[in-house]
Amino acid sequence: ETGVTQSPTHLIKTRGQQVTLRCSSQSGHNTVSWYQQALGQGPQFIFQYYREEENGRGNFPPRFSGLQFPNYSSELNVNALELDDSALYLCASSPGGGTSNYGYTFGSGTRLTVV
Amino acid sequence: AQSVTQLGSHVSVSEGALVLLRCNYSSSVPPYLFWYVQYPNQGLQLLLKYTTGATLVKGINGFEAEFKKSETSFHLTKPSAHMSDAAEYFCAVSDNTGNQFYFGTGTSLTVIP
Repeated sequence: ETGVTQSPTHLIKTRGQQVTLRCSSQSGHNTVSWYQQALGQGPQFIFQYYREEENGRGNFPPRFSGLQFPNYSSELNVNALELDDSALYLCASSPGGGTSNYGYTFGSGTRLTVV
Repeated sequence: AQSVTQLGSHVSVSEGALVLLRCNYSSSVPPYLFWYVQYPNQGLQLLLKYTTGATLVKGINGFEAEFKKSETSFHLTKPSAHMSDAAEYFCAVSDNTGNQFYFGTGTSLTVIP
């Protein structure tokens, strides 16, 4: 079975720009979550999607938004990029039907650098 | 609200020695607890999880963890360290709604030959 795939693997953007990161969830997984991992830190929960609706959100501003598509793939959009947005962005999927209680399968992440 | 504290950001052990990585959690409801491992430039891999039932949980690669409610702890152990265990380890907690998931700041494990 295929795992979670993310694209692109690396990205450099300028402060103030917008970025879209993409994620294909593992086959059979209907719940997708996004995390931000700053250098030397643990992943921070951004939000979770189930059946194309956001069903959980961490402490991130509205300029972080997402989408989940009928095939359970997902996008993370970040507007008005700031230098502090530089991080590894991880996508994770779960078969949990809207919960994370089964644990996640993580992708390898997208390394975003904002200059 | 839930939170996770990992004591010791860096742990070094000799090859063959016991590995003990500490995790304490704070949760207002019965928690679901997880340990993940992250190798350089990779995503996170699930080692083991506790949801309900037996409090001693066995995971992959010889790791295990014990849920101790009275101590609000979920420490990760492995009887004998291997060089390939060198990585970053994260403890995480989820509440019973499964809509929020919190990671600790991680423990970097070094295995000395």
